[in-house]
Amino acid sequence: KNQVEQSPQSLIILEGKNCTLQCNYTVSPFSNLRWYKQDTGRGPVSLTIMTFSENTKSNGRYTATLDADTKQSSLHITASQLSDSASYICVVSAEQAGTALIFGKGTTLSVSS
Amino acid sequence: DTGVSQNPRHKITKRGQNVTFRCDPISEHNRLYWYRQTLGQGPEFLTYFQNEAQLEKSRLLSDRFSAERPKGSFSTLEIQRTEQGDSAMYLCASSLGAASTGELFFGEGSRLTVL
Repeated sequence: KNQVEQSPQSLIILEGKNCTLQCNYTVSPFSNLRWYKQDTGRGPVSLTIMTFSENTKSNGRYTATLDADTKQSSLHITASQLSDSASYICVVSAEQAGTALIFGKGTTLSVSS
Repeated sequence: DTGVSQNPRHKITKRGQNVTFRCDPISEHNRLYWYRQTLGQGPEFLTYFQNEAQLEKSRLLSDRFSAERPKGSFSTLEIQRTEQGDSAMYLCASSLGAASTGELFFGEGSRLTVL
């Protein structure tokens, strides 16, 4: 069964600190992996999208890594800001027609001052 | 173009009433998706359109739910005889080409509360 598991479920860090969120998946055949940021009460916004051949991609203070062999991805946030407080959702796409996007439940990050 | 637009943003209704949500996708995007999201969960796929054709529906989409995209532009999602379990955020997304390979853009969502 295609699944995406994220950890931790929630995380609290101090402003300025770094953190890493994890995503493990069992999706086959794999097409790509995305990370979305979702502020409370808003729609998800894309941070990165990586294909099988890419093992790292950055978007400002956000860096995503992908290990297609172990089927793991991480999202590293550097020098966190209060505005980073949000839910971060890992989404894996399977190589098939239609909608084939499998969403994780997200990690809720709270950045405090 | 300002992205995917959804309205209303919030809707409170009594059990048994009908509600309708509207989604205006990014203008050149031919694919449109509806998702439902409850608290603490990721979005769950409901249905998707390529142009005006509804190509896929989830088993989550009961007979009380109907979606249309009459001219291949905006879409509506109607829920008839609402139940408390329908309370959720309803997200619309659009893409140019297959979402499995391309970028998927979400709207801000329509939050439904059924009393």
